[in-house]
Amino acid sequence: EVQLLQSGGALAQPGGSLRLSCAASGFTFSNYAMNWVRQSPGKGLEWVSTIASRGDTTYYADSVKGRFTISRDNSNETLYLQMSSLRPEDTAVYFCAKDRNELAVAGTSLGSWGQGTLVTVSS
Amino acid sequence: DIQMTQSPSTLSASVGDRVTITCRASQSINRWLAWYQQKPGKAPELLIYKASTLEGGVPSRFSGSGSGTEFTLTISNLQPDDFATYYCHKYNNYPGLFGQGTKVEIK
Repeated sequence: EVQLLQSGGALAQPGGSLRLSCAASGFTFSNYAMNWVRQSPGKGLEWVSTIASRGDTTYYADSVKGRFTISRDNSNETLYLQMSSLRPEDTAVYFCAKDRNELAVAGTSLGSWGQGTLVTVSS
Repeated sequence: DIQMTQSPSTLSASVGDRVTITCRASQSINRWLAWYQQKPGKAPELLIYKASTLEGGVPSRFSGSGSGTEFTLTISNLQPDDFATYYCHKYNNYPGLFGQGTKVEIK
C-alpha cells in the first residue's frame, strides 16, 4: 500500500524558513516523480513544485520560484520542500503527491497524496 | 500560460441526481486532464485521468469526457458519499494547474 507520511509544518515568521518532509513507502520511490501541492485556508488547490524521479529536473510555480527548493533522497525514500523567505500568503496546507505513472517523461496525474501539513506564516 | 476555468463553483443537488461539472482550458491540452474529489480536512483523491479513464476503485457512476479545451465530469445517481469538492487538473506540461473547484452540496 502506498503511504506518504508528511511532517514539518509549523508556525513561521515572515521572512523565515521551514523544511517539509514526505516519507514514502509501499512503492519504488526512485521510479516516480514527486510533487508538492498547497491549499490556502478555504481556497482551491495550487500546484507548487515537481521533481523528476532521479532528482535531476525540477519545476516551480512562479509564486515560489527562487524561494522554495524541492529535493529528494531516493536512498531514504523521502521528499523535501525547503521553504525560505516565507510570506503570509504562503500560509496553506501543503500536500506531497506521487505521480500516477512510473518513470513518466512528462507530467502525469497525481495518484496518491500525503495527509497534508499546515504551514502558517505570521508574526 | 494556460488558464483553466471550472464551473459552476457550487452545485446543489439531491441524492439520485445526475450532475455535470465543466472545465475549460484556454488552449488545447489534448486529453491531459484529471479530476479529483476532496472532502473537508482530507487530501484530494484521483477519480479520472486522461480525461475519461476511471482510476481503479472509483465507482462507475463517475465518468469523464472531452478533449482539447472542454471537459466534463458527470456523476450519475448521486450518492451521499459524493457530496464533496471536485477539481480538474491539467498536467500536459508545467506549470501544472488546477481548476477553481466545484462544491457539490445537498439541496
